[in-house]
Amino acid sequence: EAQVTQNPRYLITVTGKKLTVTCSQNMNHEYMSWYRQDPGLGLRQIYYSMNVEVTDKGDVPEGYKVSRKEKRNFPLILESPSPNQTSLYFCASSTYAGGTNTEAFFGQGTRLTVV
Amino acid sequence: EDKVVQSPLSLVVHEGDTVTLNCSYEVTNFRSLLWYKQEKKAPTFLFMLTSSGIEKKSGRLSSILDKKELFSILNITATQTGDSAVYLCGVSGGSNYKLTFGKGTLLTVNP
Repeated sequence: EAQVTQNPRYLITVTGKKLTVTCSQNMNHEYMSWYRQDPGLGLRQIYYSMNVEVTDKGDVPEGYKVSRKEKRNFPLILESPSPNQTSLYFCASSTYAGGTNTEAFFGQGTRLTVV
Repeated sequence: EDKVVQSPLSLVVHEGDTVTLNCSYEVTNFRSLLWYKQEKKAPTFLFMLTSSGIEKKSGRLSSILDKKELFSILNITATQTGDSAVYLCGVSGGSNYKLTFGKGTLLTVNP
């Protein structure tokens, strides 16, 4: 079954304690991205990756890091989480061919609370 | 800066009504426009539109794109309570295929 898997689904952590949210896809997609979703603000892109070892900032990258060492995995790292990073996070993957993306497949979401 | 604006932000209707959701965009080097439905979980894909004037249909849902006027509409006919959700419009563009989303339209269908 085609899917994007994020872990953990829920996380409560304290300010400053480094954490990683994992994301893995089994569709051999080149394109992966991270979004955060906040009430009234919609989905905002944090980082994206067009392929292995190719990553770039989205609209709200401050306080986040990513890496893309393998095609299937795209972890999101918060080196020193702060309360304003409390949010619902989604990982998504897609492929692109013929000059356009295909539909983006989303993970189940990670609800992060930083206290 | 790429911009996607959805309207209305919120809509309450009765079962059986027909609704039209709007999405306008300003995106460099447009590639595609996608509609998603989001209930209390991850967004699920509805339609992808790349060409003007070609309607996509799936049951009671349909969508069309106007690349000249830079907008798309999502129609839902004979609404049901199960249509209650946030509907997201995303537009892909640029050399990096970036997908920019609007804030969504919260649709509530009352019995």
